[in-house]
Amino acid sequence: DVKVTQSSRYLVKRTGEKVFLECVQDMDHENMFWYRQDPGLGLRLIYFSYDVKMKEKGDIPEGYSVSREKKERFSLILESASTNQTSMYLCASSRNRELNSPLHFGNGTRLTVT
Amino acid sequence: QKEVEQNSGPLSVPEGAIASLNCTYSDRVSQSFFWYRQYSGKSPELIMSIYSNGDKEDGRFTAQLNKASQYVSLLIRDSQPSDSATYLCAVNRNTNAGKSTFGDGTTLTVKP
Repeated sequence: DVKVTQSSRYLVKRTGEKVFLECVQDMDHENMFWYRQDPGLGLRLIYFSYDVKMKEKGDIPEGYSVSREKKERFSLILESASTNQTSMYLCASSRNRELNSPLHFGNGTRLTVT
Repeated sequence: QKEVEQNSGPLSVPEGAIASLNCTYSDRVSQSFFWYRQYSGKSPELIMSIYSNGDKEDGRFTAQLNKASQYVSLLIRDSQPSDSATYLCAVNRNTNAGKSTFGDGTTLTVKP
């Protein structure tokens, strides 16, 4: 079974802090994704990566950056956290870029920025 | 117009009934379609995928795809209280394959 592990389940940070959210997958998946989920807004894609050191912007990349130095690890960085980044953050991975490659999600990190 | 739209819900059905969840998508080049279930406080998990027109059955779940109408649905037969969750429709285009666009989800409650 695929396991996607997010480093923190709950996180509380102050406005202006630099925040790192870590995600590790153990199935040698090529693709990794960061989504945020907010009530009424659904799942929105922040950034994704198809390979090591590669990254592509999703639908809402502003205020975020990512790092993928190793295939199994994909980090989301909030350079200067703001209250509107309070959200549930979901990391996901998928096998490859073929069409029949569903997402496997981590347990999520609920981030509160005060 | 949103790329992927689902019944706004919430949807409530009695135990044992058929629950019908609907999803439409706007981009005709969409090629693969997924249904995820998300329990409250949990992350989404895949329950069905479908790539060809027609029906695909897996236990009590049936996914239906009509590419001409740009419509995909999920039927849950003999609904159980444990089916109570939010169901997310996701669509992948053949360009940038692997990148899913999600609907907002439909919350289903199955009443005993």
